[in-house]
Amino acid sequence: LAKTTQPISMDSYEGQEVNITCSHNNIATNDYITWYQQFPSQGPRFIIQGYKTKVTNEVASLFIPADRKSSTLSLPRVSLSDTAVYYCLVGPFSGGYNKLIFGAGTRLAVHP
Amino acid sequence: NAGVMQNPRHLVRRRGQEARLRCSPVKGHSHVYWYRQLPEEGLKFMVYLQKENIIDESGMPKERFSAEFPKEGPSILRIQQVVRGDSAAYFCASSLDRGGGNQPQHFGDGTRLSIL
Repeated sequence: LAKTTQPISMDSYEGQEVNITCSHNNIATNDYITWYQQFPSQGPRFIIQGYKTKVTNEVASLFIPADRKSSTLSLPRVSLSDTAVYYCLVGPFSGGYNKLIFGAGTRLAVHP
Repeated sequence: NAGVMQNPRHLVRRRGQEARLRCSPVKGHSHVYWYRQLPEEGLKFMVYLQKENIIDESGMPKERFSAEFPKEGPSILRIQQVVRGDSAAYFCASSLDRGGGNQPQHFGDGTRLSIL
């Protein structure tokens, strides 16, 4: 599975837009990009998944450039409750099973 | 994390005892995964099961650890003769299918195992 690199931590303030970038230089043709969110004492929660270009849902947007070697999770107007660890995962979710490989993630701290 | 139920949420055991962790997947899901998480680290895959079958146990230690997902009832992760190094949060996840592009895993809130 493709290795991912993302910042260890980020700080933001309420109401700001937060962009977390993930590098995955060795992404394969059939790999999807998925982001999970984890709050303390809880299991990870699926946020968004994409293959190319842009994906948007009610929670976030995911931007993927043409070469797919990186992706950016965008959280609009964060609140204190968005303080969590965000994981970027890359894997061949088509045809294979979901053997998710988690890195250390990005710890986002949102301040008042 | 509605849907995947894990119990107990916290489990304390003394060295040498057995720990049994239970996981009830989302209703209708037949694929279950177990992960272990140490403090300040990401989750590490342990085992993937379908009903009555272990599909991939490559992340599970060969000794003392076992997992099952019977036809009826929850999935069980069993750790025999626990040691201090087994202290961690154990998460269970389930999915509807084996892993197509639109089949994210749904996680429970974990069991925090503490070994005295």
